[in-house]
Amino acid sequence: AQSVTQPDIHITVSEGASLELRCNYSYGATPYLFWYVQSPGQGLQLLLKYFSGDTLVQGIKGFEAEFKRSQSSFNLRKPSVHWSDAAEYFCAVGAMTGGSYIPTFGRGTSLIVHP
Amino acid sequence: NAGVTQTPKFRILKIGQSMTLQCTQDMNHNYMYWYRQDPGMGLKLIYYSVGAGITDKGEVPNGYNVSRSTTEDFPLRLELAAPSQTSVYFCASSYGEYSNQPQHFGDGTRLSIL
Repeated sequence: AQSVTQPDIHITVSEGASLELRCNYSYGATPYLFWYVQSPGQGLQLLLKYFSGDTLVQGIKGFEAEFKRSQSSFNLRKPSVHWSDAAEYFCAVGAMTGGSYIPTFGRGTSLIVHP
Repeated sequence: NAGVTQTPKFRILKIGQSMTLQCTQDMNHNYMYWYRQDPGMGLKLIYYSVGAGITDKGEVPNGYNVSRSTTEDFPLRLELAAPSQTSVYFCASSYGEYSNQPQHFGDGTRLSIL
C-alpha cells in the first residue's frame, strides 16, 4: 500500500526567506503526487500536481515542487515566503487501490512565518 | 462556482445524539469522500463513494454511516455521538476514474460532542 511521510510537523521561516517542505512517498509504480494548502478554518486547496514528464512542476501562489524518483521525494519550494503563506501543507499520493482511486495524505506540515 | 458545499459549519451535540452532515457538489464528480481531521493527525478517510448507490469503508468507519442516492449528495450520519467523534469533518469530490485528478474540498464541519 502507498504511504506519505512529511517529516516536519512545524516549519518556521522569516518573511522573505526561502522555503522547502519535505515529502517522501512509498508506492510501487509511478505515483501521481499532489500538494495541498489549508488556511485556518478552510478546506484544502490544490497547490500543484505531478503526473509525468517534467519533474519540476509549477503551482499557484509562486510554489513549485520537484519530483525525484531516486529519492521517492516530492518537496515543495518557494523562493520568498509571504506572511499569507502561513498555513498547513499536505502532500498526497494518488493511486488505484482495489479498483478505486483512494488518495493517501501525509500528516501535514504547519508553516509559521515570522515578520 | 459553488464546488463542494458542507452544512452545517459548526455543531455541538450531546453524547448519544444523532445527526447528519450534509455534502453537495455541483461538478458532476463521480467520486466523493468523507474525512475527519484531528490535530496533528492529518486526514483520515471515513467512507467513500465511487458513484450513486455505491459506498465503501475507509480507514475509520466505525460510528458512521453514509448513503449516495444521487451523484450530487453524500451525507454522513452519526448515529450515537461519542466524545471521540469530536473533530473537523471534510467532504471532497473528484473525477475518480483518473487517479491523476485532484480532490476538491468543502470548508468543513466543526463538530463537538459534549
